[in-house]
Amino acid sequence: ETGVTQTPRHLVMGMTNKKSLKCEQHLGHNAMYWYKQSAKKPLELMFVYNFKEQTENNSVPSRFSPECPNSSHLFLHLHTLQPEDSALYLCASSPGRAESYEQYFGPGTRLTVT
Amino acid sequence: GEDVEQSLFLSVREGDSSVINCTYTDSSSTYLYWYKQEPGAGLQLLTYIFSNMDMKQDQRLTVLLNKKDKHLSLRIADTQTGDSAIYFCAPKGGSYIPTFGRGTSLIVHP
Repeated sequence: ETGVTQTPRHLVMGMTNKKSLKCEQHLGHNAMYWYKQSAKKPLELMFVYNFKEQTENNSVPSRFSPECPNSSHLFLHLHTLQPEDSALYLCASSPGRAESYEQYFGPGTRLTVT
Repeated sequence: GEDVEQSLFLSVREGDSSVINCTYTDSSSTYLYWYKQEPGAGLQLLTYIFSNMDMKQDQRLTVLLNKKDKHLSLRIADTQTGDSAIYFCAPKGGSYIPTFGRGTSLIVHP
């Protein structure tokens, strides 16, 4: 138990659906991250928020829309996804953006796009 | 940007030592992390080493750092079946965001 929770744990959606992934951290951290993990590929950073402000967008397609209403919650809104978007989506948090801070990861949401 | 390379698979017998290797490209990496991912779970921080150290030992784990060759290794002594997982090397090179490789799948045979 890392203090970072993600819901749902599994999600199957069609290409025309709209769904949202939720991440919550109970660690009092100020920075939150979305990563995409695909088989046999390096972990891909998608978005970073620090004190609710987006600080990184790693050229992510607009069909992925993040939202950070406060420092404890992070959402990833999904619409008109493609089959290649099927992956494990991981949320992480850290105390802040200093180099000495490690990241704490949630268990991930396994997304399948049909 | 930083590139991180790891072997994709390592197979060992239970009770043996496992050595997982990692090479990276950014010589300014100051914090170098090892994460473990068990099936169906997220990444869990195992240990890390600071760049002014050559070795760090933590119970069954030993981290070795060769800054000249930009080579990092994780040794697990007396490997158990519960150590079966994917291990990620993640250096931070002058940034607050680590760079992850593809991970090494450690398979432990009884």
